[in-house]
Amino acid sequence: GAGVSQSPSNKVTEKGKDVELRCDPISGHTALYWYRQSLGQGLEFLIYFQGNSAPDKSGLPSDRFSAERTGGSVSTLTIQRTQQEDSAVYLCASSFTKNTDTQYFGPGTRLTVL
Amino acid sequence: GESVGLHLPTLSVQEGDNSIINCAYSNSASDYFIWYKQESGKGPQFIIDIRSNMDKRQGQRVTVLLNKTVKHLSLQIAATQPGDSAVYFCAENIGGAQKLVFGQGTRLTINP
Repeated sequence: GAGVSQSPSNKVTEKGKDVELRCDPISGHTALYWYRQSLGQGLEFLIYFQGNSAPDKSGLPSDRFSAERTGGSVSTLTIQRTQQEDSAVYLCASSFTKNTDTQYFGPGTRLTVL
Repeated sequence: GESVGLHLPTLSVQEGDNSIINCAYSNSASDYFIWYKQESGKGPQFIIDIRSNMDKRQGQRVTVLLNKTVKHLSLQIAATQPGDSAVYFCAENIGGAQKLVFGQGTRLTINP
């Protein structure tokens, strides 16, 4: 594909359930980012992967949040024991190399926790 | 701490007029700035960027101005069109940091 893709586009879950959100970055991009966007708000950084380096997890809001990037490509963001305050749009972005290269965003996954 | 904010949450302009969206930042170590456009239901789309060694950069119908003295960034859109209606975010990257810090966004509405 030409751009960053994310799945699912929408996810509705019940409080306490675990969810997995997927991101397929642009082919060849070594850097991958996850952000969270609450309704009407800006983007909140969650986690950053760069090649084989240890990820920067400084933005994860709690230990219920985790992310993996397998094979340097696809990434999965997992939220365990979801809470209503986790409801937001989760955006993934990738860039060619490091953080100062342009980040290209996917369409996001809208998560609703009931 | 570092923060990126916007002066106005909403901006309405007449079609064909020029629009200016402003952004203030607080961290003097920021060395890279980006403007993104986000349409409803879509992810942010890169518009233009500028590095701290520049004070102006032009793209197609857009110009970004950087005033490091007052830590101010602006996005100028010339001859606005209905398709320019969106939320515009500024973002800063602090030298050596591994993430972008985004502002809250300004909603630009183009009136016919």
